[in-house]
Amino acid sequence: AQTVTQSQPEMSVQEAETVTLSCTYDTSESNYYLFWYKQPPSRQMILVIRQEAYKQQNATENRFSVNFQKAAKSFSLKISDSQLGDTAMYFCAFKDGGSQGNLIFGKGTKLSVKP
Amino acid sequence: NAGVTQTPKFQVLKTGQSMTLQCAQDMNHEYMSWYRQDPGMGLRLIHYSVGAGITDQGEVPNGYNVSRSTTEDFPLRLLSAAPSQTSVYFCASSPQPDREVDGYTFGSGTRLTVV
Repeated sequence: AQTVTQSQPEMSVQEAETVTLSCTYDTSESNYYLFWYKQPPSRQMILVIRQEAYKQQNATENRFSVNFQKAAKSFSLKISDSQLGDTAMYFCAFKDGGSQGNLIFGKGTKLSVKP
Repeated sequence: NAGVTQTPKFQVLKTGQSMTLQCAQDMNHEYMSWYRQDPGMGLRLIHYSVGAGITDQGEVPNGYNVSRSTTEDFPLRLLSAAPSQTSVYFCASSPQPDREVDGYTFGSGTRLTVV
């Protein structure tokens, strides 16, 4: 069974600085997808970024980028120029390329951006 | 376009009571799922459906029932509520179960307290 591990329960960063959230996963699949979701205090789940395993190029979305290391099964999220609105829970998630389509989540990292 | 609508947003139940959490989507998504979120546990899959008339169990199905009579609706039933079912419940949908197309759309969640 696939597992997703986020080893940092809580992190903090100063406004305008850069922070990296860690995520590792375990799978025997070769075709899969990885995601980072943001959950602000409003409780809404917001997709931040996604990565297809077959793509070697790391995904980027504005201030958010990933470091995808397929051999190491690592998928970290880098947030540049951190903003107060980035304060949230961040969840790493895995989905295999098969027919079920289920997302498997890590336990989350609580990020606090300090002014 | 409402996306995924969950009702109610908040609910308090007494131990032993039954209730149904409603989930409806208007995007013609084939895949729908229910997760529960508990502190320090991330989101865990309860049940999922890859199309009308098809449902299956996830990681934590005990105490919950689902049905999928239409593409739009995927209700979650608690037959006899227990304090261990106190949690935040999320419904999510996706266009196709075997491909990651546009990601998953989440409802806004239901906070359930069982006393």
